[in-house]
Amino acid sequence: SFELTQPPSVSVSPGQTATITCSGDKLGDRNACWYQQKPGQSPVLVIFQDNKRPSGIPERFSGSNSGNTATLTINGTQAMDEADYYCQTWDRSTVVFGGGTKLTVL
Amino acid sequence: EVQLVESGGGLVQPGKSLRLSCAASGFTFDDYGMYWVRQVPGKGLEWVSGINWNSGTIGYADSVKGRFTISRDNAKNFLYLQMNSLRAEDTALYYCAKWSGKWFGEPGRFDYWGQGTLVTVSS
Repeated sequence: SFELTQPPSVSVSPGQTATITCSGDKLGDRNACWYQQKPGQSPVLVIFQDNKRPSGIPERFSGSNSGNTATLTINGTQAMDEADYYCQTWDRSTVVFGGGTKLTVL
Repeated sequence: EVQLVESGGGLVQPGKSLRLSCAASGFTFDDYGMYWVRQVPGKGLEWVSGINWNSGTIGYADSVKGRFTISRDNAKNFLYLQMNSLRAEDTALYYCAKWSGKWFGEPGRFDYWGQGTLVTVSS
């Protein structure tokens, strides 16, 4: 079965750039999306179709997808961006999630 | 405003059954596929089941196949999950999620999520 691998944790200083990766075999041949989940809240879509932002998502969130890796980038990271982030794609009609990355802003 | 409101969770003994419901509003319900996604507290997201706009195509994760049944009532704007033969490993927060397209299995994303309903399977 298709698997997506994310680093368990990423740390970033306020105002710096956070980069979260999601790896899977030839992931760049598929579309990937990203969800943000803050403690006690439901997931929120922040990037879809590799690099598109839903309305209401700040411009500091961006995405890319090439080769075996999709990347979520947060420019000028703010304390409010501290959350778990999950990548997602699909494989043979099934949804596939990455294991999630805890972003710490310190 | 899109709203997805789950209900029906609770404490249930192993081997018993539970039926989850999701009330949808704020969008044309029968234009979209719908899914159930679960999350063990403190753990990651797991796709459970999906259904296309007219119930013509349905899918299940291997972990629940043969025990769970997804359905929808487009007249009432409701999504359901009938869970039978529950196991301790089914303990999780169950989310109802709106798919971005009509069809189960097509590429897409979850553009709206409910707040979840907690299912605890324990004796």
